[in-house]
Formats: sequence, structure tokens, C-alpha cells
Amino acid sequence: DTEVTQTPKHLVMGMTNKKSLKCEQHMGHRAMYWYKQKAKKPPELMFVYSYEKLSINESVPSRFSPECPNSSLLNLHLHALQPEDSALYLCASSQGSAPGQGGELFFGEGSRLTVL
Amino acid sequence: EDQVTQSPEALRLQEGESSSLNCSYTVSGLRGLFWYRQDPGKGPEFLFTLYSAGEEKEKERLKATLTKKESFLHITAPKPEDSATYLCAVQADRSNDYKLSFGAGTTVTVRA
Repeated sequence: DTEVTQTPKHLVMGMTNKKSLKCEQHMGHRAMYWYKQKAKKPPELMFVYSYEKLSINESVPSRFSPECPNSSLLNLHLHALQPEDSALYLCASSQGSAPGQGGELFFGEGSRLTVL
Repeated sequence: EDQVTQSPEALRLQEGESSSLNCSYTVSGLRGLFWYRQDPGKGPEFLFTLYSAGEEKEKERLKATLTKKESFLHITAPKPEDSATYLCAVQADRSNDYKLSFGAGTTVTVRA
């Protein structure tokens, strides 16, 4: 069982909807991440929240917005998405300030998003 | 720009038939190289971290090795439950850079 919990596991939404993906980690890690993965492609980094600082992949459109209520929670707010945003959204956490510094990434099981 | 190339793209093995997966990388100073296993529709499962050339890690039927240009994931006497996509990722030794650069993966199918 993973110690990174993502909800919901599946989400179907229209292009005008507002929804959120939630992620919680139970390992006391200091960094959390959102990745997007399309079918048969590797994961792509969207956001990193580490030590109360948010880092953004500049290619991510503004219809995705992260929120970090506390160090163990990272939400992803979705608004006015497009069908091409349909993908598996993966949350991850790491112990240190970055992977490779005693902080490998541990992933949740993902949230499968379908935009109609 | 960091680059990671995995080969082969797909690998079909008979149960017990050992083989190796390759991960070639180009990075300006390696902080760490990571191997993950991913089952369909699931998140990647962490397997190994390698930090420097010559390092080796083992877990059950899997062994990962690292040189200055590539990493190998050896699967010894695989079983059907080893069927998965294996992802390699690197992180560069740059300050405030959290990005993992992933390869496209190798999909391994082990037949009984």
C-alpha cells in the first residue's frame, strides 16, 4: 500500500466544471509534487511544493492551480479544462528538498481524469 | 537539456529467461538516477536510487548498475509478476531544480 493517497481515483468532468484533485502523504516528507502522465508516455512535472515554496513548470496552463494547505496536503484545482487534459495525474512526495538528497520520489496511485 | 533514452521499447521474455534493460543518459552533473516500476493505470513504484558510477543495488530478481553514461536493470529468472513498464529517471545536480527527467520506459512482458 502506498503512503501517498490520492482522491478521487477517477474523475469525469465537462469543460465548464470546476473540480479538485486531492493528495495526502503520511511520511512527514517536506516536498510534494504533481505530475501529468499521458498514455504510454513518461510522467511530466507540473508543480513542486517544498519548504513552503511553490515551483511551477512554466509550460503548465493556468487552468491548473495547486494549493498546499499544509505540509502533508497538496491539492490541484481544475477549471475550464480541455479534452487534451485527460490523463493520469500523479502526486508524489520526497523526504528532502529534492530527490537524490535522501529523498526519492514516492508516488500515489494516481487520479484518472477524463474531460468531455 | 537532460536526456534519458531507454531501450528496448518493449521486451517479451519467457519465464526464467534473464535479460537486461538499458538507460542511457546525458545530464550536466548527476545527482541521482532512479528506477521505477509502473503497472498499467497505477503510479510508479520506487525501486532503486544510484548516485555514482560503479554503484549496484539489488532487490529480489532485479539488479541495477550505473556507469557514467548509462544504467542497466538486470532481471534474473523473471516471473510473470515482473511484467510491468520500467522507468528510468535522472536528476541533475543543480540547485533548486527538482525536476526528474524520465525516459519513455521499457515494457516487459513475461510469459509463463
